[in-house]
Amino acid sequence: NAGVMQNPRHLVRRRGQEARLRCSPMKGHSHVYWYRQLPEEGLKFMVYLQKENIIDESGMPKERFSAEFPKEGPSILRIQQVVRGDSAAYFCASSPGGLGRGNTEAFFGQGTRLTVV
Amino acid sequence: LAKTTQPISMDSYEGQEVNITCSHNNIATNDYITWYQQFPSQGPRFIIQGYKTKVTNEVASLFIPADRKSSTLSLPRVSLSDTAVYYCLVGARTLSGSARQLTFGSGTQLTVLP
Repeated sequence: NAGVMQNPRHLVRRRGQEARLRCSPMKGHSHVYWYRQLPEEGLKFMVYLQKENIIDESGMPKERFSAEFPKEGPSILRIQQVVRGDSAAYFCASSPGGLGRGNTEAFFGQGTRLTVV
Repeated sequence: LAKTTQPISMDSYEGQEVNITCSHNNIATNDYITWYQQFPSQGPRFIIQGYKTKVTNEVASLFIPADRKSSTLSLPRVSLSDTAVYYCLVGARTLSGSARQLTFGSGTQLTVLP
């Protein structure tokens, strides 16, 4: 059973371009979470999706960022008109069901390291 | 949302037992305590989860006192490969409180020395 797959592992974009980050959850997992990690900082929650639905996007910047998790295919985190401050590692995690009181195990991918030049 | 406090960094030597303590004074009745490990350039990995007393698995032990206001992750006989950041998490809530996800703090950088 393959783990959470993220691609690309490294992405370089010029300021103003678009970045598209992909995440394929573990087989059988319908819950996906995106996190951002700035250099030397902890992980910050961005968005939580369940197949075709955004459950919570309270951690997502209001502008330029969007996420989707279509019925078929990977989850996509899209950043439009990237700026240097978007440079970070973006991690995706998945779980088979929703996280709850006694279920706090999510499986993380290797991340996509976005560099904006 | 319960706030967690843990040491910024710790050093240890190979073969020693390492104990990392996390404070969570305002933990809610229903909250579980979870620890994750993150190696450089990798995503976090679940280590252990517990509610009270002691939990042990093949990797670590988790000690939780009766008042649950703190917890201690114990790593037996660490090796160089245990050098990583260790995160203590409490509960599973989104920022808006409407759904559940994991909230990471700053973590503890454990460095194992030869």
